[in-house]
Amino acid sequence: NAGVMQNPRHLVRRRGQEARLRCSPMKGHSHVYWYRQLPEEGLKFMVYLQKENIIDESGMPKERFSAEFPKEGPSILRIQQVVRGDSAAYFCASSPNQGRLFFGSGTQLSVL
Amino acid sequence: KNQVEQSPQSLIILEGKNCTLQCNYTVSPFSNLRWYKQDTGRGPVSLTIMTFSENTKSNGRYTATLDADTKQSSLHITASQLSDSASYICVVSNSNTGKLIFGQGTTLQVKP
Repeated sequence: NAGVMQNPRHLVRRRGQEARLRCSPMKGHSHVYWYRQLPEEGLKFMVYLQKENIIDESGMPKERFSAEFPKEGPSILRIQQVVRGDSAAYFCASSPNQGRLFFGSGTQLSVL
Repeated sequence: KNQVEQSPQSLIILEGKNCTLQCNYTVSPFSNLRWYKQDTGRGPVSLTIMTFSENTKSNGRYTATLDADTKQSSLHITASQLSDSASYICVVSNSNTGKLIFGQGTTLQVKP
């Protein structure tokens, strides 16, 4: 049973481009969480999804950011028109039941 | 306000020594408290999860304590090893919202 898989591990984008971050939860897990970690800061909650539904997006910036978790395939965190301030590590976590979280290795986004 | 404060911010110890990391929280109502270990460039890995009724929980050389009255937790590492070098993150769950509030973490460096 593979762990939470995130790809790419590193993503470089120029300002104004789009960034797509993918997260495949552990087998059997239907709860997915996205977190952002800025340098020297703690993890900050962004969004919580269950299959095909956004449960809580209170941590998502109002513009440019969106997330989905389709019936088939990985969860996607999409950032449109990236800016330098979007540079961070983005972590995905999955859970079978809102309990223990299993984290992926993260995607390091660098915006030039 | 729901907050989690960790101390010290960073710590350097010699291999084989013990150390204790602190976590104070103001999250209310409280559901559970988790300690995670995050190696550089990796996602957090769960060490312990404690609910209101649990005072202490061990995982190998890691022992976490919880005082729900004073809203304090500690993580004690015994006979430290070089592989213990990492960030240790305290996370508290709010039982009303289910939200996880992350501390900033303590960076531990174990030197030979």
